[in-house]
Amino acid sequence: SQQGEEDPQALSIQEGENATMNCSYKTSINNLQWYRQNSGRGLVHLILIRSNEREKHSGRLRVTLDTSKKSSSLLITASRAADTASYFCATDAISLDSGYSTLTFGKGTMLLVSP
Amino acid sequence: DAGITQSPRYKITETGRQVTLMCHQTWSHSYMFWYRQDLGHGLRLIYYSAAADITDKGEVPDGYVVSRSKTENFPLTLESATRSQTSVYFCASSGGLAGNNEQFFGPGTRLTVL
Repeated sequence: SQQGEEDPQALSIQEGENATMNCSYKTSINNLQWYRQNSGRGLVHLILIRSNEREKHSGRLRVTLDTSKKSSSLLITASRAADTASYFCATDAISLDSGYSTLTFGKGTMLLVSP
Repeated sequence: DAGITQSPRYKITETGRQVTLMCHQTWSHSYMFWYRQDLGHGLRLIYYSAAADITDKGEVPDGYVVSRSKTENFPLTLESATRSQTSVYFCASSGGLAGNNEQFFGPGTRLTVL
């Protein structure tokens, strides 16, 4: 079953506006990661936030993590048409079966940025 | 070429046929993963490997077989393809460092089973 669930499923904004996507998860995690996927392409890693961190920035990206609420948000400031893509959160946790770390991805938020 | 590559990029096959999807990475990453991506389901983990000769099942392993005899290669085989295995398949790799296990994805293989 999916660990992370993104909200909203789709988001349409104008260039220059900010875009906020949310992710909720169910179990304890080591870290939470955000990925971007352009149409027809593989996923690209954007940012990783560890379970003991509350906020992290990378360029126009800002990620927050609230482990008490088991939620994270991704903020893209001053959006551009090139930001149009699907965005996925992924939670890192240790597999109970193998003891190895794996990522569980949500279903994604489709972001459309119009010029 | 450096990076992670998948072949073929597109494949059409028939029900019951055996199909092998190839994945190759040049970073000597320990971890490799196979996912399938379907509308309404997002990415689901099929199998993963923590090192050569070590493989483990993910969320949806039924109907798939993997092997990892060399660190750089991680082929995925559909032993007897079914229509429900029509999907886009992504391979990924990771250095697996504790607390910094970002994954690097290949371009994907679009598989159609008729």
